[in-house]
Amino acid sequence: KAGVTQTPRYLIKTRGQQVTLSCSPISGHRSVSWYQQTPGQGLQFLFEYFSETQRNKGNFPGRFSGRQFSNSRSEMNVSTLELGDSALYLCASSWNRGNTEAFFGQGTRLTVV
Amino acid sequence: AQSVTQLDSQVPVFEEAPVELRCNYSSSVSVYLFWYVQYPNQGLQLLLKYLSGSTLVKSINGFEAEFNKSQTSFHLRKPSVHISDTAEYFCAVSGTGANNLFFGTGTRLTVIP
Repeated sequence: KAGVTQTPRYLIKTRGQQVTLSCSPISGHRSVSWYQQTPGQGLQFLFEYFSETQRNKGNFPGRFSGRQFSNSRSEMNVSTLELGDSALYLCASSWNRGNTEAFFGQGTRLTVV
Repeated sequence: AQSVTQLDSQVPVFEEAPVELRCNYSSSVSVYLFWYVQYPNQGLQLLLKYLSGSTLVKSINGFEAEFNKSQTSFHLRKPSVHISDTAEYFCAVSGTGANNLFFGTGTRLTVIP
């Protein structure tokens, strides 16, 4: 069974640009969550999608958004990039809500210059 | 809301020695508890989890953790570490019925030959 796939693995963007990151969950998993990992703030929850609906949202500005498609694949978008958005963005999939186990992808390393 | 405290940011230990990585949590609701491991430039891998039942949970590679509700702790232990255990370890908590994980700041375990 294929694991969680995140694309791209690495990305370099300029301040003010926008970026879209993609996550394909494990086949059969319907819940996708996104996390931001930085040296200063650690791992922080961004949002969770289940059945194409955002179910939970962390404390991030509206520049961070996401969506989930009918095949459970998810994308997250960051608009008007700031230097502080440089981070490892991790996607996690679970087969259902009530998190019994979240499987993480390898992440997308975003660098904003 | 939940929160997790990992008091030790770095733990150096000699090969074949025992190790304990400490984790304390705070929550006003019932929780699930997890330990994840992260190797350089990788995503997170689930090491072990406590959902219910026996308070002592074990992983296939010799780690174990004990849920102590009165002390709100979930410390990770291994009786004899190996070089390959060198990694960053994250303790995480989620409310039952929710998919968002709250992570500690991580403990970098370095096994010295």
